[in-house]
Amino acid sequence: GDSVTQMEGPVTLSEEAFLTINCTYTATGYPSLFWYVQYPGEGLQLLLKATKADDKGSNKGFEATYRKETTSFHLEKGSVQVSDSAVYFCALRDSNYQLIWGAGTKLIIKP
Amino acid sequence: GAGVSQTPSNKVTEKGKYVELRCDPISGHTALYWYRQSLGQGPEFLIYFQGTGAADDSGLPNDRFFAVRPEGSVSTLKIQRTERGDSAVYLCASSLSGPGGGDTQYFGPGTRLTVL
Repeated sequence: GDSVTQMEGPVTLSEEAFLTINCTYTATGYPSLFWYVQYPGEGLQLLLKATKADDKGSNKGFEATYRKETTSFHLEKGSVQVSDSAVYFCALRDSNYQLIWGAGTKLIIKP
Repeated sequence: GAGVSQTPSNKVTEKGKYVELRCDPISGHTALYWYRQSLGQGPEFLIYFQGTGAADDSGLPNDRFFAVRPEGSVSTLKIQRTERGDSAVYLCASSLSGPGGGDTQYFGPGTRLTVL
């Protein structure tokens, strides 16, 4: 079945560092891809999404490009802030319209 | 407007007891989803409602789990004869019209269930 694999955390960076969180997927069809973020004590929030190959989703300085050839949707940000500390989830929406989730990557940004 | 709310935020119960978890979706959202999230894992789909009916309940792990949405708004997830393995955070989400339309799902803060 469809699945999502993302890099294990925690990922610890200094403020203003460059961020990459890797996400790869397996799917039989052409899924939509998502990044959700969960800030401490809050619910999951959609960060960005891409619905077809080569689409780039972006929000709050974060970007991810849907790469069909490498089945990847890596999350990047050029300069992270302490307020970006959270758990980030990669997910795909399968042919049955269900969301299939990765295990999450905890990001810790130190001042 | 108000987001998705879930009550209680925390529930501690004993093995074998019955529990109900409530979800109040965003007003006007016809689609409602329940997920379960165990520690260190991503959410796991349980059930999806379109209006009052369960459109997809394929994620319910067994017949101890049941969910209703009698008036197409508030939903209740019911767990009978709870087991320690049911301990998790139960998440509810809602969307405007449903997954087929590509709607964004908005999540509540979750209910942390602990079965002793």
